[in-house]
Amino acid sequence: NAGVTQTPKFQVLKTGQSMTLQCAQDMNHNSMYWYRQDPGMGLRLIYYSASEGTTDKGEVPNGYNVSRLNKREFSLRLESAAPSQTSVYFCASTLNVNTNYGYTFGSGTRLTVV
Amino acid sequence: AQSVTQLDSQVPVFEEAPVELRCNYSSSVSVYLFWYVQYPNQGLQLLLKYLSGSTLVKGINGFEAEFNKSQTSFHLRKPSVHISDTAEYFCAVTETGANNLFFGTGTRLTVIP
Repeated sequence: NAGVTQTPKFQVLKTGQSMTLQCAQDMNHNSMYWYRQDPGMGLRLIYYSASEGTTDKGEVPNGYNVSRLNKREFSLRLESAAPSQTSVYFCASTLNVNTNYGYTFGSGTRLTVV
Repeated sequence: AQSVTQLDSQVPVFEEAPVELRCNYSSSVSVYLFWYVQYPNQGLQLLLKYLSGSTLVKGINGFEAEFNKSQTSFHLRKPSVHISDTAEYFCAVTETGANNLFFGTGTRLTVIP
């Protein structure tokens, strides 16, 4: 089925470990986003990619890096995980940043850092 | 700067009763407004959106929302809720020309049998 696919669905890391969250979409969307969701705080934007070859910081970029590998894939990397990065991470995509069709979300990655 | 306030963090309501989930935004320019629903352990799904035109917007699953520019509100309503409507609901806003959505903190709707 068409949509946004995130892997893994669950992950437990030790403080200081690194990992990459993968995201891929098959809707030929140009723009992709990474959000984190924390209780009582809603969704906060970490990074986004308006189009292939570009990335920009969002509201909470510290401790993260991203790579827009190609038009389909947008990965999020934690270089040295901290307990404060325990969260649910969502990838989303949309046709273009300014078209406002709404975003399509993946099902999320639940990350725990101990 | 744009921001979204969802006034109620939790709303319990009996089955078949009406419900209104409140959303207010702040912005100095024209906005686009959205409501998303998140069922347990799932991603967010688009319920409805306001881009322009009629201020009353109808979405999926019998939900509707009304854009009120003077009150900077975009409240979500349903005349009769079902158990299956139990979920978390997020209001989101973006300004024309902006690159991303800003989300509210969410309202957890619990439908009581």
